[in-house]
Amino acid sequence: KNEVEQSPQNLTAQEGEFITINCSYSVGISALHWLQQHPGGGIVSLFMLSSGKKKHGRLIATINIQEKHSSLHITASHPRDSAVYICAVHRMEYGNKLVFGAGTILRVKS
Amino acid sequence: NAGVTQTPKFRVLKTGQSMTLLCAQDMNHEYMYWYRQDPGMGLRLIHYSVGEGTTAKGEVPDGYNVSRLKKQNFLLGLESAAPSQTSVYFCATKGISAPNTEAFFGQGTRLTVV
Repeated sequence: KNEVEQSPQNLTAQEGEFITINCSYSVGISALHWLQQHPGGGIVSLFMLSSGKKKHGRLIATINIQEKHSSLHITASHPRDSAVYICAVHRMEYGNKLVFGAGTILRVKS
Repeated sequence: NAGVTQTPKFRVLKTGQSMTLLCAQDMNHEYMYWYRQDPGMGLRLIHYSVGEGTTAKGEVPDGYNVSRLKKQNFLLGLESAAPSQTSVYFCATKGISAPNTEAFFGQGTRLTVV
């Protein structure tokens, strides 16, 4: 079983829809990242969370430490949101290494 | 991503050739990591470093070596490239003291071994 599981693997939405991507993890963590990767592009950090909720524009990220679960929400989705969204956790261990989920491929149609 | 630079961005190697990927950061981060990204899989850790002069193995270290002689640079070496090492390689860095604990990523190196 992977230490970080994301769902769904693929998601297609119509422009304007509310989108939720989920992440569950099975290890102790010090923080969780939501990352965005456009096709052929680099990786950009959207949020780093250790508790509660963060909001940036149309993006909202929440984390429940007790349930080991995080969600990324996109309100009023737009075609430019089409990308791969990756959940990654900082392990509580030497090196604080990042462990990644497999990613969710999001396509927003106009 | 400002602050983390990977070179080269693209490379094609023949089986058996060697090469070195460079990750350079100017954020004074202690932690540096090399990952590979393959289709349908999450990024997997190859090697990492928690400070100048230190390195450690990650999940998939075989076929790779690393060095961190200077704090700002983390080198990933392939001594004898194999087609299985065709992948996109990402470097990441992270500080240990707030507020510099967020991870930053390089733009990636697309390597093809033929």
